[in-house]
Amino acid sequence: KQEVTQIPAALSVPEGENLVLNCSFTDSAIYNLQWFRQDPGKGLTSLLLIQSSQREQTSGRLNASLDKSSGRSTLYIAASQPGDSATYLCAVIRFLPGNQFYFGTGTSLTVIP
Amino acid sequence: ETGVTQSPTHLIKTRGQQVTLRCSSQSGHNTVSWYQQALGQGPQFIFQYYREEENGRGNFPPRFSGLQFPNYSSELNVNALELDDSALYLCASSRQGAPDTQYFGPGTRLTVL
Repeated sequence: KQEVTQIPAALSVPEGENLVLNCSFTDSAIYNLQWFRQDPGKGLTSLLLIQSSQREQTSGRLNASLDKSSGRSTLYIAASQPGDSATYLCAVIRFLPGNQFYFGTGTSLTVIP
Repeated sequence: ETGVTQSPTHLIKTRGQQVTLRCSSQSGHNTVSWYQQALGQGPQFIFQYYREEENGRGNFPPRFSGLQFPNYSSELNVNALELDDSALYLCASSRQGAPDTQYFGPGTRLTVL
C-alpha cells in the first residue's frame, strides 16, 4: 500500500525567505507526482506535475524535484510572500486501476509579513 | 471552459441518514474521481467513474456508492451515515488518457451529528 508522508506538518517563515517542503512515498512504482495548494475550506489547485521520467519542474518561484529511487520529492519556494500561505499537498499517482491519487497529509505554510 | 462545480456547499445530517452529493465535471472531461478529506488530513481516494462505470475504488465500504450520468455529471451517495463521515468531499474531473490533469471542485462540507 502506498504511504505518502509530508514533513514538516506546519511551517512559519518571515516574508522573503526561501523554503523547502518535503514529500516521501513508500512505493516507487508511481506514474507521476503532483503538488497542490489548498486554501482553507477550498478545493485543490495544481501547482506542478512531475512525470516519472522527469527529475524536476519549475513554475515561477516554485521548483519541484523528484527522486523515484529514494521515494522523495521536494517543493522549493523562493522569496516567499504572504499570499503563499496555504496548505501544500503532494500526491503520487498510480496509473492503474483508475488513476489513483495518493495524497500526503500536507504542510501548512504561514508566511509572516 | 467551465470549471468543476459541486453542490451543496455545506450539509448537516444526523447519524444513520443517507446523503447525496453532486458534481458537474469540467466541459470535455469523461472521468470523475471522488475524495474524502477529514480535517487536518490529505484527501483519500473513494472511487473513480469512467463512461458511467466504476473504474477503481479506494478502501471505503460499500455504503459509499456513486453514479456517473451520460453528461458526465456524478453523484456520491453515502448510506447509514456515521460520525466519522464528517469531512470535505471533493470531486475531480479529467479526460481519460490525461489522468494527471485533474481539476478539483470546491468541495462539499458534510457534518454528521
